Amino acid sequence: AQSVSQHNHHVILSEAASLELGCNYSYGGTVNLFWYVQYPGQHLQLLLKYFSGDPLVKGIKGFEAEFIKSKFSFNLRKPSVQWSDTAEYFCAVHAGNNRKLIWGLGTSLAVNP
Amino acid sequence: NAGVTQTPKFRILKIGQSMTLQCTQDMNHNYMYWYRQDPGMGLKLIYYSVGAGITDKGEVPNGYNVSRSTTEDFPLRLELAAPSQTSVYFCASTKSHVEGYTFGSGTRLTVV
Repeated sequence: AQSVSQHNHHVILSEAASLELGCNYSYGGTVNLFWYVQYPGQHLQLLLKYFSGDPLVKGIKGFEAEFIKSKFSFNLRKPSVQWSDTAEYFCAVHAGNNRKLIWGLGTSLAVNP
Repeated sequence: NAGVTQTPKFRILKIGQSMTLQCTQDMNHNYMYWYRQDPGMGLKLIYYSVGAGITDKGEVPNGYNVSRSTTEDFPLRLELAAPSQTSVYFCASTKSHVEGYTFGSGTRLTVV
């Protein structure tokens, strides 16, 4: 079955530290890949997405993600986090002709000022 | 352009009561989804729809029902509320799966 795995469930960083959140998926065909962010008490918002072309994707608020097809990965990165990045981050994959996204369980990021 | 609108934002139900969570989108999206979110459990898909008149079950449909009579509206019905249905419910929509989903602001439901 298709699945999405986010390796880090909870991450705690200090401001200005670099961030990398892992996301791996299991599907051998064409995929569309997404990272969503959910700030405390809010709904999910699209952070960035990949569907074709340059595997390095830049999103809002200085986030970027790299699609590595050979590793079935789509890791999220940010060079220097801020306290306002404290949130939950979800990786999602649209695989083939599916009519819905497959979601990871999310990673909770806490950034200490 | 309001996006995806969910009502109510908060609701407390007694066990056995019923209610309808409303979801409306004004973006002419064909695909609509209902999720529940519980702490540490990620998003669980309840029901989805690929267009007016077409609905299908997700991972956790028991205890819920949906209808899709128009493109804009996708209400979620709880017939006999149970404490296990205490959760935050999110509605989402998309025009195409390369675009990603637009989420509503959620409904926090407590069943006591």
